[in-house]
Amino acid sequence: EVQLVDSGGGLVQPGGSLRLSCAASGFTFSNYWMSWVRQAPGKGLEWVANIKQDGSESYCVDSVKGRFTLSRDNAKNSLYLQMNSLRAEDTAVYYCTSGGSYFGYWGQGTLVTVSS
Amino acid sequence: EIVLTQSPGTLSLSPGERATLSCRASQSVSSSSLAWYQQKPGQVPRLLIYGASSRATGIPDRFSGSGSGTDFTLTISRLEPEDFAVYYCQQYSSSPRTFGQGTKVEIK
Repeated sequence: EVQLVDSGGGLVQPGGSLRLSCAASGFTFSNYWMSWVRQAPGKGLEWVANIKQDGSESYCVDSVKGRFTLSRDNAKNSLYLQMNSLRAEDTAVYYCTSGGSYFGYWGQGTLVTVSS
Repeated sequence: EIVLTQSPGTLSLSPGERATLSCRASQSVSSSSLAWYQQKPGQVPRLLIYGASSRATGIPDRFSGSGSGTDFTLTISRLEPEDFAVYYCQQYSSSPRTFGQGTKVEIK
């Protein structure tokens, strides 16, 4: 059974940092592009970033460029999102997803709240 | 950036009725690179359709997708009680990947 377990969310002050993690199991993690998608409270879905199978390429939405960094550890079947210089508008549930194009499997999400 | 506009915003229908949801792109979506997702309250989104018309694993055949270029449609042939939810389209023709704002299918 495919499982994606998201963790690392929490309450952080504006300008602060958080590192999200996603632990994958039930599929060959190293064969897949992986992505993060977020959803602000009561709002729609927004793609945040994706990363190639070997980690050699990654892309992100303009609003997080220079602040968020995506990485992966295929030996640990894990995906990471380092979020710096957080803003109130980054408040959302962050979902780890499989795929770089469309998103077949989703984690349960981890809530990031940016507030003073 | 490709902007996706979904219509209507809300669709009020009864179980057993047919639902037709529209997704229009601001520019052509190449190779029918369009997906549809369903999200129920408090739940994680679920992939329904990819490649504009291919059903994801385990998706009932009452769900069908069609379209190309800039106009795409998700059709639910006969609504079941569990189909009342929010539906999102998403393009992967170019980066950034973008989603529509969603269509809520509610019980009339």
